[in-house]
Amino acid sequence: EDQVTQSPEALRLQEGESSSLNCSYTVSGLRGLFWYRQDPGKGPEFLFTLYSAGEEKEKERLKATLTKKESFLHITAPKPEDSATYLCAVQAASNAGNMLTFGGGTRLMVKP
Amino acid sequence: DAGVTQSPTHLIKTRGQQVTLRCSPISGHKSVSWYQQVLGQGPQFIFQYYEKEERGRGNFPDRFSARQFPNYSSELNVNALLLGDSALYLCASSWGQGMANEQFFGPGTRLTVL
Repeated sequence: EDQVTQSPEALRLQEGESSSLNCSYTVSGLRGLFWYRQDPGKGPEFLFTLYSAGEEKEKERLKATLTKKESFLHITAPKPEDSATYLCAVQAASNAGNMLTFGGGTRLMVKP
Repeated sequence: DAGVTQSPTHLIKTRGQQVTLRCSPISGHKSVSWYQQVLGQGPQFIFQYYEKEERGRGNFPDRFSARQFPNYSSELNVNALLLGDSALYLCASSWGQGMANEQFFGPGTRLTVL
């Protein structure tokens, strides 16, 4: 069974204090790993797709990396507007469809 | 371009009732997936449809059903509502099938069962 575990569950940062969010996964053949941002009461907003170990992608203050067992979302010099829940999801090659298996998310709070 | 749209935004039902949620995918996208997100948890996969055929089903009871129309829009039906069905129901669209292409989510329908 595919599993995704995110840590920490919640993270409080001061503005400008860089940190990393972790996503550990077990999957029967990784087709892709996805990062989303979700604001309260809204749908998840797509951030990145990573396909193979060693791959990295960046967008503004966010950088996502991937190994064979985990992915990290690095946040550099965060701002209060980066406060949100960050979700990690995997798509397994064993699935014929597009099913995503999500982790529980990390709630990030950035204080000014 | 318009993103994924869902209706209604909010819905309040009582136990035992039936509900229908609607989703319109991004133009050109042929795949629609449905997820249930309980407060404080990650989304959980319910169904996926591609070209009007069911291509995946999550671990949900038969009270949950869905379909996709020729214009690729989709409906999710839930019968005999239980209190535990209260959640945010999300629709995601993507253009392909069986590939790790990006899935884009709509704003969700907040269902409250009293």
